[in-house]
Amino acid sequence: TQLLEQSPQFLSIQEGENLTVYCNSSSVFSSLQWYRQEPGEGPVLLVTVVTGGEVKKLKRLTFQFGDARKDSSLHITAAQPGDTGLYLCAGADSYNTDKLIFGTGTRLQVFP
Amino acid sequence: NAGVTQTPKFRVLKTGQSMTLLCAQDMNHEYMYWYRQDPGMGLRLIHYSVGEGTTAKGEVPDGYNVSRLKKQNFLLGLESAAPSQTSVYFCASRTGGPSGNLYNEQFFGPGTRLTVL
Repeated sequence: TQLLEQSPQFLSIQEGENLTVYCNSSSVFSSLQWYRQEPGEGPVLLVTVVTGGEVKKLKRLTFQFGDARKDSSLHITAAQPGDTGLYLCAGADSYNTDKLIFGTGTRLQVFP
Repeated sequence: NAGVTQTPKFRVLKTGQSMTLLCAQDMNHEYMYWYRQDPGMGLRLIHYSVGEGTTAKGEVPDGYNVSRLKKQNFLLGLESAAPSQTSVYFCASRTGGPSGNLYNEQFFGPGTRLTVL
């Protein structure tokens, strides 16, 4: 069974600080995604990375896929209150790409 | 274009009661999914469907059944609800094909909060 562990589980920071969230596994994934979920809503896709070592930027968010395609990170520069939410990584199951395997989630709160 | 909708939004059941959760999508997606979300556990796949008339088990299928009689609808049934099924349930859909499998973008509904007493 492929598992994705995220760290930290909770993160509470002040506006303007930088942060990094990690998503780790012992398994290889064919692609990896990051979703953000706000209270009372479903997750919304932020980015998909498919190549080992790939880096994608989305304004103040930088996503990296590990060289071996077993891990990923999300770095936020100068966090803002609007970044508050639950961040979920999800990997395409290598044995069955019909399915995604979701990480355990990182709950981020950014205070003004 | 409503995307993915779920009904109901909230429901309280007593142990042993049954209910059906409805998911509908208007994006002509082939793939549909049912997940449950519990604190500290991310999203866990219950059942999924890769096309009309097909269903498959996910990670935690016990106690649930599904049907996909129409492409746009995916129903999740609880025949005899248990307190362990208290959770938030999310439906998702995505397109199929090689691009769909690689990029795998899933579109989620707003969720159904279910409490079983």
